[in-house]
Amino acid sequence: TQLLEQSPQFLSIQEGENLTVYCNSSSVFSSLQWYRQEPGEGPVLLVTVVTGGEVKKLKRLTFQFGDARKDSSLHITAAQPGDTGLYLCADPSYNTDKLIFGTGTRLQVFP
Amino acid sequence: DAGVIQSPRHEVTEMGQEVTLRCKPISGHDYLFWYRQTMMRGLELLIYFNNNVPIDDSGMPEDRFSAKMPNASFSTLKIQPSEPRDSAVYFCASSRPSDGNEQFFGPGTRLTVL
Repeated sequence: TQLLEQSPQFLSIQEGENLTVYCNSSSVFSSLQWYRQEPGEGPVLLVTVVTGGEVKKLKRLTFQFGDARKDSSLHITAAQPGDTGLYLCADPSYNTDKLIFGTGTRLQVFP
Repeated sequence: DAGVIQSPRHEVTEMGQEVTLRCKPISGHDYLFWYRQTMMRGLELLIYFNNNVPIDDSGMPEDRFSAKMPNASFSTLKIQPSEPRDSAVYFCASSRPSDGNEQFFGPGTRLTVL
């Protein structure tokens, strides 16, 4: 069974700081999704990365897929309170129908 | 378009009672997923359906849990009898192949079993 470990588990920072969170797998991903879950809501897809070494940007968020496709990172520049939430990576390759979610990184950005 | 709809949003019940959670997926989505989320175990897949047929229920914790999808626009997750350790947030999600495995989640039902 594939395991998706995310780090750090918790992160509390001040507005304006930069941060990076990581997602690591015990096996190779075919692709990887990143979701954000705001308090009291369900997860929402941010991005899907497919190719090893791929970099995607979404405003202040930069997503990178490792060359070997066993890891991924999410970098946030100048974090804002609105970035607060649970960040989840998910692997759609274990089964074409379902997702395996990572353990999550809970981010709190203070004004 | 309306997103995934779940009801109730909050449920408080006593141990031993039956609990029924409801979900209306996005129209046109072929897949429906039920998840449970806790601080200790994260987001766990319980069961999922394709075209109203249960495909994988290996995540259902025990026989006290059951799920049905009588038609394309409605699904239920039932717990009978409920126990305090069932307290969690339960999410329903739906998807369709043309969206590249993106799952659309409902707002969740927060269940508290006393």
